[in-house]
Amino acid sequence: DAGITQSPRHKVTETGTPVTLRCHQTENHRYMYWYRQDPGHGLRLIHYSYGVKDTDKGEVSDGYSVSRSKTEDFLLTLESATSSQTSVYFCAISAGAPGGEQYFGPGTRLTVT
Amino acid sequence: DAKTTQPNSMESNEEEPVHLPCNHSTISGTDYIHWYRQLPSQGPEYVIHGLTSNVNNRMASLAIAEDRKSSTLILHRATLRDAAVYYCILRDSGNQFYFGTGTSLTVIP
Repeated sequence: DAGITQSPRHKVTETGTPVTLRCHQTENHRYMYWYRQDPGHGLRLIHYSYGVKDTDKGEVSDGYSVSRSKTEDFLLTLESATSSQTSVYFCAISAGAPGGEQYFGPGTRLTVT
Repeated sequence: DAKTTQPNSMESNEEEPVHLPCNHSTISGTDYIHWYRQLPSQGPEYVIHGLTSNVNNRMASLAIAEDRKSSTLILHRATLRDAAVYYCILRDSGNQFYFGTGTSLTVIP
């Protein structure tokens, strides 16, 4: 199994509070991704990173920011959580080789009340 | 815009082959076709991928149409552990993956 961990695994927070989710990898892969998964929508890309300090937006980036100061860590921040951000969040990594596969973390279940 | 189209659900009898179809009519020449599956309460798991030629690995086979506008994931003998949601995904040259809603596979004992 690829070395990917996510923390926390479960979190309940109140509307308006900031939340940071962490993804940590031990594979030294260049690419890291944050997805959210909601019923009826499959997985949707929030942000991704193609190197330290290099990030870009995905299809559902509004309300989220990311940072990557080290190869192994990719942080997802909800500046002011809203109920619409209640979801399961998955981190993924990829070596970036042409056509190469992604490996996913176990997910973080976030509930915003 | 949906980049891939899959049936919402399919059923298969245990120990029989399963053919999971996917349409990707807007695929570009540099897009790779990936398949992942997701078991309940887990993250997606890589199954197989290809560009133009058919591919085989220990988990499955991938058959890609000559015009690349469709592909089929083949599970040679379905087991109960293969019950999952299967996603057909395009990976573009920018290393982004576009997931659809997938096909929920039910395996009947």
